[in-house]
Amino acid sequence: QKEVEQNSGPLSVPEGAIASLNCTYSDRGSQSFFWYRQYSGKSPELIMFIYSNGDKEDGRFTAQLNKASQYVSLLIRDSQPSDSATYLCAFETGNQFYFGTGTSLTVIP
Amino acid sequence: DAGVIQSPRHEVTEMGQEVTLRCKPISGHNSLFWYRQTMMRGLELLIYFNNNVPIDDSGMPEDRFSAKMPNASFSTLKIQPSEPRDSAVYFCASSRRMGNEKLFFGSGTQLSVL
Repeated sequence: QKEVEQNSGPLSVPEGAIASLNCTYSDRGSQSFFWYRQYSGKSPELIMFIYSNGDKEDGRFTAQLNKASQYVSLLIRDSQPSDSATYLCAFETGNQFYFGTGTSLTVIP
Repeated sequence: DAGVIQSPRHEVTEMGQEVTLRCKPISGHNSLFWYRQTMMRGLELLIYFNNNVPIDDSGMPEDRFSAKMPNASFSTLKIQPSEPRDSAVYFCASSRRMGNEKLFFGSGTQLSVL
């Protein structure tokens, strides 16, 4: 059973703060990990991907991967109200993509 | 690039009717995925194709669901007969190749079965 566990939230942070989103996955063979952002009524949008242990930074977003702990996280620095959305964690293995149920983030102005 | 194109955006039908959802993947992408999203179950993979060939349809809930990909630029998901519990958002997604690649989603079809 391939599983992705996320805290469903909701997570609320004040504008300008750091939002921290966490995810664990079940398959040790997974090689590719993704974070998608989904606004209400919209489709998931890829915002980060990471393949190697460690940190990967892209603007205000940092993805962190620890394969030994089967853990991946997303940090959003200087959170903005426009970051309010549901964030989906996903991993790819066996040529399939598996998604968590998402964490709802609200950034309070 | 136009992205993944799905139609219709919204579909309202009555129980027992046939529903056909359509998808055009991104040009050059050879893997196509159909997902269903509900509040309770999140994103569920229904079926995926590689090079127009169905690879895994174990996520298709019942024989009422069928999917085809007659060519590299078109796929359909059909529900016949439809039931109220099929109401969900259905997403089509594509990637350039199987494995270690990024998945891009269409805008989805909101299906309501009354």
